[in-house]
Amino acid sequence: DAGVTQSPTHLIKTRGQQVTLRCSPKSGHDTVSWYQQALGQGPQFIFQYYEEEERQRGNFPDRFSGHQFPNYSSELNVNALLLGDSALYLCASSLGLGLTEQFFGPGTRLTVL
Amino acid sequence: QQQVKQSPQSLIVQKGGIPIINCAYENTAFDYFPWYQQFPGKGPALLIAIRPDVSEKKEGRFTISFNKSAKQFSLHIMDSQPGDSATYFCAAMGSNDYKLSFGAGTTVTVRA
Repeated sequence: DAGVTQSPTHLIKTRGQQVTLRCSPKSGHDTVSWYQQALGQGPQFIFQYYEEEERQRGNFPDRFSGHQFPNYSSELNVNALLLGDSALYLCASSLGLGLTEQFFGPGTRLTVL
Repeated sequence: QQQVKQSPQSLIVQKGGIPIINCAYENTAFDYFPWYQQFPGKGPALLIAIRPDVSEKKEGRFTISFNKSAKQFSLHIMDSQPGDSATYFCAAMGSNDYKLSFGAGTTVTVRA
């Protein structure tokens, strides 16, 4: 039973560039949430996708956008990268909307130079 | 602002000791309180979770204590081992707001 997988593992970009991160949820899960974890801090919620729609959004600018595909996998896109976007980006999957357990992937480490 | 306040920032215990991590919250709509363990370079792993209708929950060597009136909850790691050395995060989720709000994390070091 595969857990949450994310790609790529690491990524280096320069300021102003655009990046796409990918996530496949745990088998049987249909909801994907994205979090940003800066070094030494707790994860911060970016947004959540269910039934291919963004259901909730945290306090992140419109430069952060996402998509969910019919197979429940998801992408996180960040445009016009800033140095402050350097972080570990975590994907979490769960079953449905509600007070359910969220299982995290290993994350994608993004470095913006 | 941080919706869940976590302390201490770090702690060191000897093998067999009981590290205790404390969290506090203000939002009374929070209805689910999980704890996550994270090793360097890895994603957070769910350890144990509690709902407000329960005052204590044990899973293996991990125990959550929950005080609804004080809006506080804590994690105890019994008989701690060097392999428990990691960063621990408390979190909270509301019944109408399905995102996790995390504490800032506690780095636990268990010395052999």
